[in-house]
Amino acid sequence: NAGVTQTPKFQVLKTGQSMTLQCAQDMNHEYMSWYRQDPGMGLRLIHYSVGAGITDQGEVPNGYNVSRSTTEDFPLRLLSAAPSQTSVYFCASSSTRTGLDEQYFGPGTRLTVT
Amino acid sequence: AQSVTQPDIHITVSEGASLELRCNYSYGATPYLFWYVQSPGQGLQLLLKYFSGDTLVQGIKGFEAEFKRSQSSFNLRKPSVHWSDAAEYFCAVGSNTNAGKSTFGDGTTLTVKP
Repeated sequence: NAGVTQTPKFQVLKTGQSMTLQCAQDMNHEYMSWYRQDPGMGLRLIHYSVGAGITDQGEVPNGYNVSRSTTEDFPLRLLSAAPSQTSVYFCASSSTRTGLDEQYFGPGTRLTVT
Repeated sequence: AQSVTQPDIHITVSEGASLELRCNYSYGATPYLFWYVQSPGQGLQLLLKYFSGDTLVQGIKGFEAEFKRSQSSFNLRKPSVHWSDAAEYFCAVGSNTNAGKSTFGDGTTLTVKP
């Protein structure tokens, strides 16, 4: 199993540009989440999904869109990048089939918006 | 709403010394508690988790944590720290009704002195 994969690893955007961060998992997990990590602020939940076709907002959803057309993929779209979105983004997946399983994290995408 | 507090932003210990990282949580029902470790430039890796049963849980790399319901705490311990333990540590709380929506503390950075 590859686990959770994220692409790209690094990205530099100009203000106003749009882009999609990719996330995929091969563990057949029903839950997937996107977090952003900023210094001194831990991980903050952006959006999450409890299954294909179902998404919901987390703590800091503004400026981001998600969709989940398949169990495996959960892309995060930045509609119009702003410097405040400079951060490290982590995708995670989990399952409750055997109780609440821990989240499995991807390696992260480091995004800089200039 | 669930929340997690890690009171110590930064801790420095000498190699071979014991370690305790503090975590306090707020949650209305029985919490699912996790400790994750993040090495520089990496994603998060699970150290250990608590759902129910024995309140002292063992994890990987020689770590353990004790759940104390009366104190709403889930402190992480290690009897003898190794230089390779230098990393950032995150406590998280979740529930089986909110899977995929774990709430993370702000993290504690551990420095190990030779």
